[in-house]
Amino acid sequence: DQQVKQNSPSLSVQEGRISILNCDYTNSMFDYFLWYKKYPAEGPTFLISISSIKDKNEDGRFTVFLNKSAKHLSLHIVPSQPGDSAVYFCAASDAGGTSYGKLTFGQGTILTVHP
Amino acid sequence: EAQVTQNPRYLITVTGKKLTVTCSQNMNHEYMSWYRQDPGLGLRQIYYSMNVEVTDKGDVPEGYKVSRKEKRNFPLILESPSPNQTSLYFCASSLFSGVETQYFGPGTRLLVL
Repeated sequence: DQQVKQNSPSLSVQEGRISILNCDYTNSMFDYFLWYKKYPAEGPTFLISISSIKDKNEDGRFTVFLNKSAKHLSLHIVPSQPGDSAVYFCAASDAGGTSYGKLTFGQGTILTVHP
Repeated sequence: EAQVTQNPRYLITVTGKKLTVTCSQNMNHEYMSWYRQDPGLGLRQIYYSMNVEVTDKGDVPEGYKVSRKEKRNFPLILESPSPNQTSLYFCASSLFSGVETQYFGPGTRLLVL
């Protein structure tokens, strides 16, 4: 039972345009969400996070939007750069619950940004 | 340099031969965790530890053991490896609870024949 789903295995965009990566979740207890980026042959690196008390969090070119009623979050990258080409994972946690150290990740989306 | 180290980086073994993958962090982090990455399944959490002597199951703990006897180390033990444990394994640590920035190790690629 996949509680966090990234339904698009891959996304291709042109340099300078917007990249939108999507993530859906089913567990209504999730209250903290994170995005990680992963390059080949490296471990994932933290990108941005959002708490369920917010619906938007921005950090430079990266913005995460959370729609709790739809159980959906998205990561916007504007403008996209070739160096953004990587695998992006979303993750969710029941941070306010008893198992708040448990993280559930999605399957990942491969983003390719063409020059 | 702040880092998470894993050893070995690559390992080929046979079914049933016990193995241990070590993980160490030098950031004095309370929280440590193990993940496996498989094609089409993304990252799945195996076990995590909120502090010394405190460990909990993630989403896929079957066939694995962990221990946290000291803060800096969090070894992953496969008592009797099977081919379905062939995977890419990552160790990670964070300051307190995993929802802050997690720092990941470089990964250990395991092949079980």
